[in-house]
Amino acid sequence: DQQVKQNSPSLSVQEGRISILNCDYTNSMFDYFLWYKKYPAEGPTFLISISSIKDKNEDGRFTVFLNKSAKHLSLHIVPSQPGDSAVYFCAASDPSNYQLIWGAGTKLIIKP
Amino acid sequence: EPEVTQTPSHQVTQMGQEVILRCVPISNHLYFYWYRQILGQKVEFLVSFYNNEISEKSEIFDDQFSVERPDGSNFTLKIRSTKLEDSAMYFCASSVRTEAFFGQGTRLTVV
Repeated sequence: DQQVKQNSPSLSVQEGRISILNCDYTNSMFDYFLWYKKYPAEGPTFLISISSIKDKNEDGRFTVFLNKSAKHLSLHIVPSQPGDSAVYFCAASDPSNYQLIWGAGTKLIIKP
Repeated sequence: EPEVTQTPSHQVTQMGQEVILRCVPISNHLYFYWYRQILGQKVEFLVSFYNNEISEKSEIFDDQFSVERPDGSNFTLKIRSTKLEDSAMYFCASSVRTEAFFGQGTRLTVV
C-alpha cells in the first residue's frame, strides 16, 4: 500500500523551461512534506520542505505547492538547469514517529 | 558544513557473513535512521533510533538486523548473516526533527 506516490518515473524538460514534479499521498495525518534530490551513487540531498499548514514554500528556483484537499504536492523548478538532472524523491513525515515515507522517485532530465 | 559520514563506501561480503556499516551523524542531531535502496527501486525505511533505543522499525528490519550507538557519535547497522537480497545501498540519516540529512551511502554487495 503506497502512501506516497510519484506517478511519473521520468520527465524530460528543455533547459530554461519550468520543471513540474508531482506527488500524491493518501494519509491526511502527514504533517510535513519534503523533496530530496539524488544523483547516482550518492545519498539523497534535502532540497525543500513544506509544513501541512502552508500551501506554498519558495526557495530560489524551487517552489513547492501543497493542495491538502487533493492530497497533492508539486515541486516547480524554474528555470531548469542542466545540473538539475537527477532523481527527485517526494517524502512525507509521519508525525507519530517522524518516519519519512518515500515516493518511488521521478528522474528529471534537462535537455540542452 | 556539518555532514553525515558513512564508512565504508563499498563493502563486498560473502553470503552468511556478518557486516557492520558505520555512520557518524551530525553532532547535535537527535534522531538517527537507516534506509536502503535496492538498485532501481525506491528508498526504503529500515529503522529509526532516538534516545538510545529503536523508536520504529519496518518489516525489513528483522532479527538479522541490529543498530547500536556505542559511543555517542557512531551509529552502526549490523547484519548478522547476510543474504544475496541484502545487496543494496544503505543510507544513514540524522535529523533534529523532520529534515533528515543523509550520508553518501554504503554499497553492500553480497556474493
